[in-house]
Amino acid sequence: EAQVTQNPRYLITVTGKKLTVTCSQNMNHEYMSWYRQDPGLGLRQIYYSMNVEVTDKGDVPEGYKVSRKEKRNFPLILESPSPNQTSLYFCASSLLGGGAGELFFGEGSRLTVL
Amino acid sequence: GQNIDQPTEMTATEGAIVQINCTYQTSGFNGLFWYQQHAGEAPTFLSYNVLDGLEEKGRFSSFLSRSKGYSYLLLKELQMKDSASYLCAVRPASGGSYIPTFGRGTSLIVHP
Repeated sequence: EAQVTQNPRYLITVTGKKLTVTCSQNMNHEYMSWYRQDPGLGLRQIYYSMNVEVTDKGDVPEGYKVSRKEKRNFPLILESPSPNQTSLYFCASSLLGGGAGELFFGEGSRLTVL
Repeated sequence: GQNIDQPTEMTATEGAIVQINCTYQTSGFNGLFWYQQHAGEAPTFLSYNVLDGLEEKGRFSSFLSRSKGYSYLLLKELQMKDSASYLCAVRPASGGSYIPTFGRGTSLIVHP
């Protein structure tokens, strides 16, 4: 089954404790992206990647890191989480070129930073 | 820059028709998407318009006017399960820029 898988789905952590949210897709998509979603603000892009070893900042990259060492994986790293990073996070992927190129989203990771 | 506007919330009655509008101002245009998102779940793709006109897909249709920077999503024969947030997203001009920008979403409440 074609899917985007994120882990963990739920996490409560404390300020300053490094954490990683993993994202993996099995559709051989070139493009992958991370979003955060907050009430009233909609989906805001954190980082994106057009292919392996190619990453770029989105609209709200501060406090986050990413890597794209393999085509299927795109982990999101919070080196020193803070309470303002409490949010619902979505990973998404899509094909580049040809067709609509719609985004396929993971199920989301709800993060709470105390 | 890009600016996408959609109403924050709409309500409608089961069985009725509702139209959700989206206006956009972008530095270029290479397609407009509509996604549906139920509370606490991931967005799912509904439609894609790149040329002017109406695209029909079952109970859902999407319209685009590029000259007016305007799109709408039309939902017919509303069902309770259509209660969700509807996200409009615009992809800017081609030539390397692939990143879609999302509007803040329209929360649709369908009541009996």
